Formats: sequence, C-alpha cells, structure tokens
Amino acid sequence: QTVVTQEPSFSVSPGGTVTLTCGLSSGSVSSSYYPSWYQQTPGQSPRTLIYNTNTRSSGVPDRFSGSILGNKAALTITGAQADDESNYYCVLYMGTGIWMFGGGTKLTVL
Amino acid sequence: QVQLEESGGGVVQPGRSLRLSCTASGFTFSSYAMHWVRQAPGKGLERVALISYDGSNKFYADAVKGRFTVSRDNSKNTLSLQMNSLRAEDTAVYYCARRLRGDYHFDYWGQGTLVTVSS
Repeated sequence: QTVVTQEPSFSVSPGGTVTLTCGLSSGSVSSSYYPSWYQQTPGQSPRTLIYNTNTRSSGVPDRFSGSILGNKAALTITGAQADDESNYYCVLYMGTGIWMFGGGTKLTVL
Repeated sequence: QVQLEESGGGVVQPGRSLRLSCTASGFTFSSYAMHWVRQAPGKGLERVALISYDGSNKFYADAVKGRFTVSRDNSKNTLSLQMNSLRAEDTAVYYCARRLRGDYHFDYWGQGTLVTVSS
C-alpha cells in the first residue's frame, strides 16, 4: 500500500529558510494529486496553509509557499519565525474518495 | 462566521458504541463534502470517513470499514459518525473538516472531540 512520506523532523534558525517535502513510497507526486499543507500546533486543530500545490489559504503569510520539487510536493518557509514551530502535514488526493495524510513533520525553530 | 463543533466524545469500553456529531453554522452546509479525521495521542492525522455534499457517496478508511458509519442531515446542518465495535486503537481526537464541492482540500476544521476506548 502506498504511503505518503514526510521528514519526521526538521529544524531551522529564526530568519532562515526551510523546505519540507511530501513524497510517495511508490511513484512521484505531481499537481494531479492536489497537494495541500496543514499546520498544527499542539492542542489545536489543523490550519490550512497551502492547497492545489501552491495556492495560499486566506490569511496565510507569503513566507509560506508550495511547489513541486522533483518528484515531491514541497512547502517552503522563508524567513522562519518562532511561531512557525509546529507540526506540518501534507495531504494528497489519491483518487475517488481517498485523501491520504503524510505522517507529519515536526518543525523546530531554534 | 464558519463554525464546526464536534460533540459526543467520551470514555467507552472496548466493543461498545459511540456516536459523534458535528454541527455546522455560518455557511451553506449542503455545498460541502464533509470528512472525519482522527489523531491518536501523540500521533499524526488519519483519515476516517468522507461523505459527499448530498450524502449519496461515502468512503471509509480500511481501519474502520464495517464498524463506522458516516451520515449527514442537511436540513439540520449536522454530520454524524456512528462508531460500533470500538477498539483501543480507535482512541483519538476526532475532527470534522469541510471540503467545498469540486475542491480537493479541507478549508476549515472543527476543534475536535476526544474518544477514549478503555476498559
């Protein structure tokens, strides 16, 4: 069974740039999977950041951007801030009625 | 404003049943497909069930297929999840999330309700 893969953890310095990725255990991610990204801090519900690969959700700062890099979807944070320290999840549309979640990336800003 | 409010969580013994509800307000409920997503303690997000905007199509994760049933009442702006034969591994916070018909992402999430399956 295909699994959506994400880095378990990542760290970035304040003001730095970090790119989180979202891949498939078998195959390549393309825009046809309509990748979306969600931010979740502990104890909170997820917040939508990016959808349809690179469209920012309303109110999301432009330091967050989405793209396809090689065979993966990517979330780039440019100029990381302390309150970007969160868990980030990607979701891929796999076909009729199936949206699959990645395992999440815990981002530390230090 | 948009609100999704889950309710019905609690502590239940293995093998028993529980029914979750998600009450929607601030938007046209019947224009949105609705998803249930869960998160076990300290773990990631996991899809549970999906129901189309009109209730005509339903999809389930393999882990809950045959035990959980999703339904909706568009006249009452309510989404439900009937959970039967509960197992310890069903322990999680359950979120409802909306997805606009024709879109491929969840644009709003509820605050979640905790289900604990324990003897």
